[in-house]
Amino acid sequence: ILNVEQSPQSLHVQEGDSTNFTCSFPSSNFYALHWYRWETAKSPEALFVMTLNGDEKKKGRISATLNTKEGYSYLYIKGSQPEDSATYLCAPSPYQGGKLIFGQGTELSVKP
Amino acid sequence: AAGVIQSPRHLIKEKRETATLKCYPIPRHDTVYWYQQGPGQDPQFLISFYEKMQSDKGSIPDRFSAQQFSDYHSELNMSSLELGDSALYFCASSLKATVYGYTFGSGTRLTVV
Repeated sequence: ILNVEQSPQSLHVQEGDSTNFTCSFPSSNFYALHWYRWETAKSPEALFVMTLNGDEKKKGRISATLNTKEGYSYLYIKGSQPEDSATYLCAPSPYQGGKLIFGQGTELSVKP
Repeated sequence: AAGVIQSPRHLIKEKRETATLKCYPIPRHDTVYWYQQGPGQDPQFLISFYEKMQSDKGSIPDRFSAQQFSDYHSELNMSSLELGDSALYFCASSLKATVYGYTFGSGTRLTVV
């Protein structure tokens, strides 16, 4: 069983601020790390999937890094906008096509 | 683009009743996953199917069963419902051979009264 921890649990920032959050997971029995963005009343939206140590992915103002040796991933949002307000979930999977083990998420609120 | 479709969106059942939740994956996806998210909790993995065979099992109660059919849709059957079964049930699908993010449906909110 993997224990996934995300921090902080919630974050309130002003529009234009850059922010980052952390996902930590046991580095053993690891295949891939998924990041999801989840808005209330919608389905989780896949942001990134990373498998290799040192992987960096970018999608617009959002980027993520992965360290599989020490078991952590960072998600960065540059110049936060109100539409970035959502819960950001990370989830490692132990093998290809395997189940996702979710953390509790980081709830981001961006005020105009 | 087609998404993962779950039905119904909302369901209200009484204790001890039975409920069936349906999930229609993205076309050509071969793997389906079921998750349960209780109030204030992380999504918990219940069960998954690959090519119509159960591929993994999580914290799924014995009162629940699931299967994947020949058209790849999946159904989660829940019997002897308890108040604690009230939750949001998500289905996700993926193509196992790829390393893309799994696609989630909008969920079925089950309320047991």
